[in-house]
Amino acid sequence: GQQVMQIPQYQHVQEGEDFTTYCNSSTTLSNIQWYKQRPGGHPVFLIQLVKSGEVKKQKRLTFQFGEAKKNSSLHITATQTTDVGTYFCAGPLASGTYKYIFGTGTRLKVLA
Amino acid sequence: DGGITQSPKYLFRKEGQNVTLSCEQNLNHDAMYWYRQDPGQGLRLIYYSQIVNDFQKGDIAEGYSVSREKKESFPLTVTSAQKNPTAFYLCASSIGQGAHGYTFGSGTRLTVV
Repeated sequence: GQQVMQIPQYQHVQEGEDFTTYCNSSTTLSNIQWYKQRPGGHPVFLIQLVKSGEVKKQKRLTFQFGEAKKNSSLHITATQTTDVGTYFCAGPLASGTYKYIFGTGTRLKVLA
Repeated sequence: DGGITQSPKYLFRKEGQNVTLSCEQNLNHDAMYWYRQDPGQGLRLIYYSQIVNDFQKGDIAEGYSVSREKKESFPLTVTSAQKNPTAFYLCASSIGQGAHGYTFGSGTRLTVV
């Protein structure tokens, strides 16, 4: 079945360092979404990418969708303690479906 | 404010008992979902519903049941047939097919002793 994997599983960085998490799908995705879950909290939708090669920015966060639409990345520049949490990517099981498959997540810890 | 309300936040039950988790939304979203999250794990889909009176099994539906009698409500029952029910349960909703992202509730942490 379709799988969405993320690497790394965990990442510890010093405050101010950059961070990147990678998302890889076993199948081509019509779109990809990113969510952030703070410790003890619930996932919060960050962004959706649709086009091949698309790049979107939200302040210090840069999201990219691969040319083949099978991978994506989230890059955080100059991490802050508020960036702590688990970042998930999610892709639809099939185009037009109500089922989104969530990645395994990358847990980010930022050391002050 | 619009949102999704899950209750209770923490729930303790004895092994062998059925338990129902509540999920209510006032976002006027058509679709609703139940996910299970285990410590350090991703989200796994239990059930989802596209419209009232209709729902489909997700990847781990065994031992769970749902109903969708009202657009606003999508309760999840964890039955005694679920072998490892202790987990964090998240309810979500979306406009249409989820292309604008899911809105999640704050979750219910179920502990079965």
